[in-house]
Amino acid sequence: GDSVTQMEGPVTLSEEAFLTINCTYTATGYPSLFWYVQYPGEGLQLLLKATKADDKGSNKGFEATYRKETTSFHLEKGSVQVSDSAVYFCALRNTGNQFYFGTGTSLTVIP
Amino acid sequence: EAGVVQSPRYKIIEKKQPVAFWCNPISGHNTLYWYRQNLGQGPELLIRYENEEAVDDSQLPKDRFSAERLKGVDSTLKIQPAELGDSAVYLCASSFREQTQYFGPGTRLLVL
Repeated sequence: GDSVTQMEGPVTLSEEAFLTINCTYTATGYPSLFWYVQYPGEGLQLLLKATKADDKGSNKGFEATYRKETTSFHLEKGSVQVSDSAVYFCALRNTGNQFYFGTGTSLTVIP
Repeated sequence: EAGVVQSPRYKIIEKKQPVAFWCNPISGHNTLYWYRQNLGQGPELLIRYENEEAVDDSQLPKDRFSAERLKGVDSTLKIQPAELGDSAVYLCASSFREQTQYFGPGTRLLVL
């Protein structure tokens, strides 16, 4: 079946460091891909998305490119801030409108 | 614009007791989702509604879980009887057709 695999955490970085959180997926057809963020004590929020191969989603300095050849959608940010500390979830929506989420990666940014 | 509203935010019950969660989606969103999120895991879909119709309930444990979405607006998810393993966060989300999902803050359930 369809699934999402993302790198396990927790990840701890110093402020202004480069961030990569790996995400790969398994799906038939052409899913849409998403990154959601969950700040402490809050619900999930959509961070960015891409709906077709080679699309790049971006928001708040975060980017991810839909790579069909490697079935990946890695999340990157060039310079993280303390306020980026959160749990990040990679997700896909398949052609049947079913959503599958990864297990989440906890990021802590220290000053 | 108001977001997805869920209540209660927290619930503590003893095992074998019933419990119900309520969700009011964003106005105009015809699709409503219920997810369960276990500690340290991602959300897992329990049921998805398109208007009043449950179009995907394959992951809903039907022996003890039930859900309804009367009039295609707000929804209730019920567990009866609750078991220890049901302790989790129950998330509601809504979207307009197949567009972006918006999540509520969740209901944190603890079964003792």
